[in-house]
Amino acid sequence: GAGVSQTPSNKVTEKGKYVELRCDPISGHTALYWYRQSLGQGPEFLIYFQGTGAADDSGLPNDRFFAVRPEGSVSTLKIQRTERGYSAVYLCASSLTGTNEKLFFGSGTQLSVL
Amino acid sequence: QKEVEQNSGPLSVPEGAIASLNCTYSDRGSQSFFWYRQYSGKSPELIMSIYSNGDKEDGRFTAQLNKASQYVSLLIRDSQPSDSATYLCAVRINTDKLIFGTGTRLQVFP
Repeated sequence: GAGVSQTPSNKVTEKGKYVELRCDPISGHTALYWYRQSLGQGPEFLIYFQGTGAADDSGLPNDRFFAVRPEGSVSTLKIQRTERGYSAVYLCASSLTGTNEKLFFGSGTQLSVL
Repeated sequence: QKEVEQNSGPLSVPEGAIASLNCTYSDRGSQSFFWYRQYSGKSPELIMSIYSNGDKEDGRFTAQLNKASQYVSLLIRDSQPSDSATYLCAVRINTDKLIFGTGTRLQVFP
């Protein structure tokens, strides 16, 4: 595709439910990043993929958060037993090989946990 | 201490003035520094990158880096109302992890 695509654009769920957020990066980009952004804050690093493997997952807040990228393209961020504090915009970004190039961000998924 | 620190603002400047945005970082080994602009309700977009000490100019934007002081700044000359946005400083930490500051909200008034 022309840009980074994230679906859904909005997700409303109830406390304790499981959610999946999808990111489709720019074709050919090997590096993929997930960030979480709360209102009035900068993007908070969650995880970085290089190809199929998670090169750095040190930003995942706890073991309820998990992300995969099985074929080195599309990535899914999975959140179990959601909490109200997990409400935020989840941003995905990709770059050709790594962070010395421009990161292209998707439009984000607004997650609301009621 | 946060890895990347910025004053949240808002920084208000009149149209035509120079806006100066500042950022400090904690990892002395960091080598790559970026400024992203984020309009309200939109995603961040890269406006400048800088890797060496000194100044780097691109149009109305100048990025300044001082590694000894662990300080990065962005100057916007001839500020326009369309420059009103949040400016995010980002620093590459360790391998390829890019850490963002909280952002500085800039308001340019006519």
